[in-house]
Amino acid sequence: GDSVTQMEGPVTLSEEAFLTINCTYTATGYPSLFWYVQYPGEGLQLLLKATKADDKGSNKGFEATYRKETTSFHLEKGSVQVSDSAVYFCALTGTASKLTFGTGTRLQVTL
Amino acid sequence: GAGVSQSPRYKVAKRGQDVALRCDPISGHVSLFWYQQALGQGPEFLTYFQNEAQLDKSGLPSDRFFAERPEGSVSTLKIQRTQQEDSAVYLCASRVGRLTFLDNSPLHFGNGTRLTVT
Repeated sequence: GDSVTQMEGPVTLSEEAFLTINCTYTATGYPSLFWYVQYPGEGLQLLLKATKADDKGSNKGFEATYRKETTSFHLEKGSVQVSDSAVYFCALTGTASKLTFGTGTRLQVTL
Repeated sequence: GAGVSQSPRYKVAKRGQDVALRCDPISGHVSLFWYQQALGQGPEFLTYFQNEAQLDKSGLPSDRFFAERPEGSVSTLKIQRTQQEDSAVYLCASRVGRLTFLDNSPLHFGNGTRLTVT
């Protein structure tokens, strides 16, 4: 079945550092890929998405590129801020069209 | 407009009690999902409705879990004879369109109901 594997957290960075959160997936067919973010005390929000190979999703300075050859969708940001502290979830919709989530990666950004 | 609303925000139940969790999706959204999120884990799919029809309940962990959406809007997730392993955050999400392979419109999530079974 479909599955998503994320790097374990927490990831702790200083403000303005470069961020990478790794995500790889297993799915049949051609899944769509998503990053969701959960800020403290809030619900899950869609951060960005990519629907086909080589697409790049971007939002709020975050980017992720759909790499079919490596089955990856790594999340990156060039300069993180304290306000980016949250839990980030990689997810996909495969042939079943249901969202399958990874376990989440907690990001802590300090001054 | 209003987002997905869930109530109660927190629920504490004694083992063996029945609980009912409510979800008000975004008005007009056809698709409604329930997810279960255990502590430190990602959300796990429970069930899916298209309007009032429950089209997929493959994720419900046992026959103690029951969900309904009788008029195609508000949905209720009921858990009978709660057990400690049912403790989790229960998330509701809605989407404007139907669940099809070609429809990748985003899910809109509520803030969840945190259920603690003591």
